[in-house]
Amino acid sequence: EDQVTQSPEALRLQEGESSSLNCSYTVSGLRGLFWYRQDPGKGPEFLFTLYSAGEEKEKERLKATLTKKESFLHITAPKPEDSATYLCAVSYSGAGSYQLTFGKGTKLSVIP
Amino acid sequence: ETGVTQTPRHLVMGMTNKKSLKCEQHLGHNAMYWYKQSAKKPLELMFVYSLEERVENNSVPSRFSPECPNSSHLFLHLHTLQPEDSALYLCASSQEWSRGYANYGYTFGSGTRLTVV
Repeated sequence: EDQVTQSPEALRLQEGESSSLNCSYTVSGLRGLFWYRQDPGKGPEFLFTLYSAGEEKEKERLKATLTKKESFLHITAPKPEDSATYLCAVSYSGAGSYQLTFGKGTKLSVIP
Repeated sequence: ETGVTQTPRHLVMGMTNKKSLKCEQHLGHNAMYWYKQSAKKPLELMFVYSLEERVENNSVPSRFSPECPNSSHLFLHLHTLQPEDSALYLCASSQEWSRGYANYGYTFGSGTRLTVV
């Protein structure tokens, strides 16, 4: 069973069409949940860290929220330059202190 | 130059070759990582070096050998690889974790696209 599940696997949006990406996790003892953005041919770029349920963080058109079992990445009025793969990862007490466990990602395409 | 730099960006090697991947970070971080990224799979942690310890994923085959001569440089030595080792290999760095866990975001390099023929 995957410990971090992201959905949908792929998402196509029209420019300006707001939506949300989901990251659900089954681990216990969450220490932090991380969101990254990855462009083709590049390494992941850090976006946010969330530590506790109810926490929210924003950056431009992106807003990340966290509940006890999942996180959402809300994209408001997306633009074509928001097209990328968005990765979610968790750090939890059952794993090594150094380890982030990643989901498979959601590939977002924003059509002009 | 700033950030995390990986070389080469692309590498094609035969199964009998020996090659090395290089990673350099200019962020003053004191922990460095190797990750493997394969299509349709999550990022897989291979090795970690921090100030005090090296940690590895026990499932990583011995044909992959890491080296960390100092806190700014990290190498991944490759020998007798298999075609299934073809993937994007990512290096990352971070500040040493506080309170016993990694609560800072990693900074990743752009990766080395490895093809084993």
